[in-house]
Amino acid sequence: AQSVAQPEDQVNVAEGNPLTVKCTYSVSGNPYLFWYVQYPNRGLQFLLKYITGDNLVKGSYGFEAEFNKSQTSFHLKKPSALVSDSALYFCAVSAYNQGGKLIFGQGTELSVKP
Amino acid sequence: EPEVTQTPSHQVTQMGQEVILRCVPISNHLYFYWYRQILGQKVEFLVSFYNNEISEKSEIFDDQFSVERPDGSNFTLKIRSTKLEDSAMYFCASIKGAGNQPQHFGDGTRLSIL
Repeated sequence: AQSVAQPEDQVNVAEGNPLTVKCTYSVSGNPYLFWYVQYPNRGLQFLLKYITGDNLVKGSYGFEAEFNKSQTSFHLKKPSALVSDSALYFCAVSAYNQGGKLIFGQGTELSVKP
Repeated sequence: EPEVTQTPSHQVTQMGQEVILRCVPISNHLYFYWYRQILGQKVEFLVSFYNNEISEKSEIFDDQFSVERPDGSNFTLKIRSTKLEDSAMYFCASIKGAGNQPQHFGDGTRLSIL
């Protein structure tokens, strides 16, 4: 069965510092991995995805993520955090033969303080 | 940019009543999904729909739930005999093709069962 774990409920960083939001996954076969962001009272907005190819994936708003197959991880990163990055972040996995359904992690609340 | 739209944004219903949540997916998309997010919990897959039939459903999606695409644009989720535990945010999503494409989410319907 597919699963995603986000070990941190909350991550606090100071503006201008680098941020990392952790994600590990379990899936049979090759994973499709996604990061989504959710602002209050809004739906999920796509940030980036890993399908195949380079392990470092670049996405929207300066975010990037590193796929590590041996550690089954897909951590989200940003070199310099902004206060406006404060939101709820979800990692998700989809197996290629599963009709595209997404299995989400429990979410990590990112708080960036000035 | 085209968006997935959901109505209503907030639905308050008495326990035991039926409720219909409506979604208009992006017009050229072919795969449609419903997800649920209970307050403070992760986003959970309910059902996927393709070619006018359910392609996959989760354990949550029991006989109380049904989906329909009554015309070329709307995609609805019906919940019969609502229970208190059905209170949640319900998100609709769509993609053009399956598998490795990012799903586009609506802003959700907040369902409150009294």
